[in-house]
Amino acid sequence: AQRVTQPEKLLSVFKGAPVELKCNYSYSGSPELFWYVQYSRQRLQLLLRHISRESIKGFTADLNKGETSFHLKKPFAQEEDSAMYYCALDHGQNFVFGPGTRLSVLP
Amino acid sequence: DAGVTQSPTHLIKTRGQQVTLRCSPKSGHDTVSWYQQALGQGPQFIFQYYEEEERQRGNFPDRFSGHQFPNYSSELNVNALLLGDSALYLCASSSLDRAHSGANVLTFGAGSRLTVL
Repeated sequence: AQRVTQPEKLLSVFKGAPVELKCNYSYSGSPELFWYVQYSRQRLQLLLRHISRESIKGFTADLNKGETSFHLKKPFAQEEDSAMYYCALDHGQNFVFGPGTRLSVLP
Repeated sequence: DAGVTQSPTHLIKTRGQQVTLRCSPKSGHDTVSWYQQALGQGPQFIFQYYEEEERQRGNFPDRFSGHQFPNYSSELNVNALLLGDSALYLCASSSLDRAHSGANVLTFGAGSRLTVL
């Protein structure tokens, strides 16, 4: 069965520190993986997708099929990065979301 | 473009009642998916509508049903409400056309928060 896990419910870092939000998945096919973000009082929105191989707001994520991981990284966290982050797997237009990690960037 | 719009934003029902939630997709999108998000959890897929038909369904009972109209808008109906149905219900639209820029990227609405007493 398709499954997405995010082991950390809450991650706190200081401004300027590196941040890594972990995501692991189980999927038998060729996965398409995404990171969605929800800022305070805003809607859930796409942050980045692995197929685009782009950096958004300084965040990057590399798909590691051997480790079945898609960790989200940023070298220098900013206070405005504080939000809820969800890793998601596209199972044929049926998205499986992880439970989410709340990132808190402290001043 | 207002993006995805959902109504109502909040509602309170009692056990056994029925509820209808509504969604208008983003302009240019033809596919509507519904998700249930319980407190402290990620969104869970309920079902997806395309061309007025249910294309895929998640692990939800038949009490959950839906509809898509010719203008691509959609409704989610839940019958015989249970306390456990209390959640945020999210509508997300997308385009099935893989040639469409941003295909399979979900655009979410703000959600309808349902409380069952």
